[in-house]
Amino acid sequence: NAGVTQTPKFQVLKTGQSMTLQCAQDMNHEYMSWYRQDPGMGLRLIHYSVGAGITDQGEVPNGYNVSRSTTEDFPLRLLSAAPSQTSVYFCASSYSPSGSVYEQYFGPGTRLTVT
Amino acid sequence: SQQGEEDPQALSIQEGENATMNCSYKTSINNLQWYRQNSGRGLVHLILIRSNEREKHSGRLRVTLDTSKKSSSLLITASRAADTASYFCATDSQGGSEKLVFGKGTKLTVNP
Repeated sequence: NAGVTQTPKFQVLKTGQSMTLQCAQDMNHEYMSWYRQDPGMGLRLIHYSVGAGITDQGEVPNGYNVSRSTTEDFPLRLLSAAPSQTSVYFCASSYSPSGSVYEQYFGPGTRLTVT
Repeated sequence: SQQGEEDPQALSIQEGENATMNCSYKTSINNLQWYRQNSGRGLVHLILIRSNEREKHSGRLRVTLDTSKKSSSLLITASRAADTASYFCATDSQGGSEKLVFGKGTKLTVNP
């Protein structure tokens, strides 16, 4: 099993550009999530999904969109990149029955720089 | 806002010593989890403790949970240089929020 994969590994954008960060998992997990990690801030939840067709906002959703059309994929879209979105982005998935979140498997991350 | 807060922010010890990290949180939880992150890598799950458990072991790791004080501790015994990493606690709050909220982490350095 590949686990959780993320592409690209690195990306540089100009302010105002849009892009999609890809995330896929092959563990048949219903729960998937996106986090951003900034120095000294730990991980902050952007969006999450408890199954195909269901998404919800985390702590810092502004400027980001998600969709979940399949169990395997959970792309994160930056609509109009801003320098404040410079960060490392992690996707994660887990087996999480309704109401609880259990062990999360993380992807290797995407390092995004917005100039 | 972040639920968990780790303490200390940074810890430096010698190989063979024990390392203790603490986590405090604000609201009632379903479970509390600890993760490790090596520099530049994704997080790796270490251990999960449920709200009705008080202590859990996994190899050289020992986690305790005190729900009355809303706190947890992670003890790494007989530390090794390879334990050098950042350690994060994460909480899953009660009430079906289905969000895992992370603290800011403790950076552990184990000197050979």
